[in-house]
Amino acid sequence: QKEVEQNSGPLSVPEGAIASLNCTYSDRGSQSFFWYRQYSGKSPELIMSIYSNGDKEDGRFTAQLNKASQYVSLLIRDSQPSDSATYLCAVNAAGNKLTFGGGTRVLVKP
Amino acid sequence: GAVVSQHPSRVICKSGTSVKIECRSLDFQATTMFWYRQFPKQSLMLMATSNEGSKATYEQGVEKDKFLINHASLTLSTLTVTSAHPEDSSFYICSASRPGQRNEQFFGPGTRLTVL
Repeated sequence: QKEVEQNSGPLSVPEGAIASLNCTYSDRGSQSFFWYRQYSGKSPELIMSIYSNGDKEDGRFTAQLNKASQYVSLLIRDSQPSDSATYLCAVNAAGNKLTFGGGTRVLVKP
Repeated sequence: GAVVSQHPSRVICKSGTSVKIECRSLDFQATTMFWYRQFPKQSLMLMATSNEGSKATYEQGVEKDKFLINHASLTLSTLTVTSAHPEDSSFYICSASRPGQRNEQFFGPGTRLTVL
């Protein structure tokens, strides 16, 4: 059973709209949650980290965490074509290792 | 910042040879580094956790004699793919975590290995 689940997409979003990405995880003891962006052929880049319930905003990105529902999401406001990438949800559940979801591919269409 | 470098970025080798990949944390000391492998259109697969001064911890199914990891200093870890075969062709990515940063991992740019 996968520990971190994401919809693989692709999530197609018009330019300027909000992209909403979801991630669920199975380990209730998870404490740290991350969103990475990965362009095709490149390595992942950390864009958001969140540790407590609620919202965390950074520029056009907002991460939302609900530990009771074991759910973490990422909103991308004013989506741009340059946001087209695969977004990986990662959860720290044991020690210092991260467990990654399969990623959601986002396509922003001009 | 938190910059991690990898070298080489791309390598092509013949079957049966060994390839060494270096991972360096440039602006921080990384007590722990991680090695991942990623096949096309798949997510990251953790291969091993590398701790400075101690033996690496390998994930289930990863052959420790084939993928040799050395973490000789707080800024350098190396992965050696021994006796490489075409099925080892993949994108190898390292990451490093900063002490006290709640398990944030910063990734190197990756090494694309092609074994002929």
